[in-house]
Amino acid sequence: DAKTTQPPSMDCAEGRAANLPCNHSTISGNEYVYWYRQIHSQGPQYIIHGLKNNETNEMASLIITEDRKSSTLILPHATLRDTAVYYCIVRVGRYGGATNKLIFGTGTLLAVQP
Amino acid sequence: DTGVSQNPRHKITKRGQNVTFRCDPISEHNRLYWYRQTLGQGPEFLTYFQNEAQLEKSRLLSDRFSAERPKGSFSTLEIQRTEQGDSAMYLCASSLDASGGPQETQYFGPGTRLLVL
Repeated sequence: DAKTTQPPSMDCAEGRAANLPCNHSTISGNEYVYWYRQIHSQGPQYIIHGLKNNETNEMASLIITEDRKSSTLILPHATLRDTAVYYCIVRVGRYGGATNKLIFGTGTLLAVQP
Repeated sequence: DTGVSQNPRHKITKRGQNVTFRCDPISEHNRLYWYRQTLGQGPEFLTYFQNEAQLEKSRLLSDRFSAERPKGSFSTLEIQRTEQGDSAMYLCASSLDASGGPQETQYFGPGTRLLVL
């Protein structure tokens, strides 16, 4: 699975949009981009995933560049409760019994400021 | 759906003791994963079950570690002769492999924090 690069930390003002970048320049055509976040002392929480097209759900939007070498997770109106470590993961979807283990990096610590 | 649950949430033990953790996945999820997370690092994969079959083990899973999922529902992770280096958060995740790989989403439990003194 391709490797990802994320900034170690970012700040965002409460109520503003938080834009978290992820670089995955070696991504291949069958690899998906997944985003998870981990609030302090809790298990990781699934946010969103995508392949080529931009995706949106109730939590966030995922923008993937046309060449798929980078993506941005957007939290449209950040709150204090969005303070967490955000992980960008690139993963091939394997069928049958093969594992789809997640390979986490160190992520981006997003600090939402009041 | 109550989500993935893990017990205990915290465990303190002395070096050399055995510990066992339990994970109850989301009902009907056929896949179950164990991960370990040390301070300041992202979770690292340990092992994976599809139903009751253990299909992959990481090289991180030394022979002191054993995991089971006897009936394809809950799972246990046992660490024998604990060492201080085993201190970490142990995370369980489950997923439903219904339609095939790319759409499989793993849902994590709250973790069990182990401290070995």
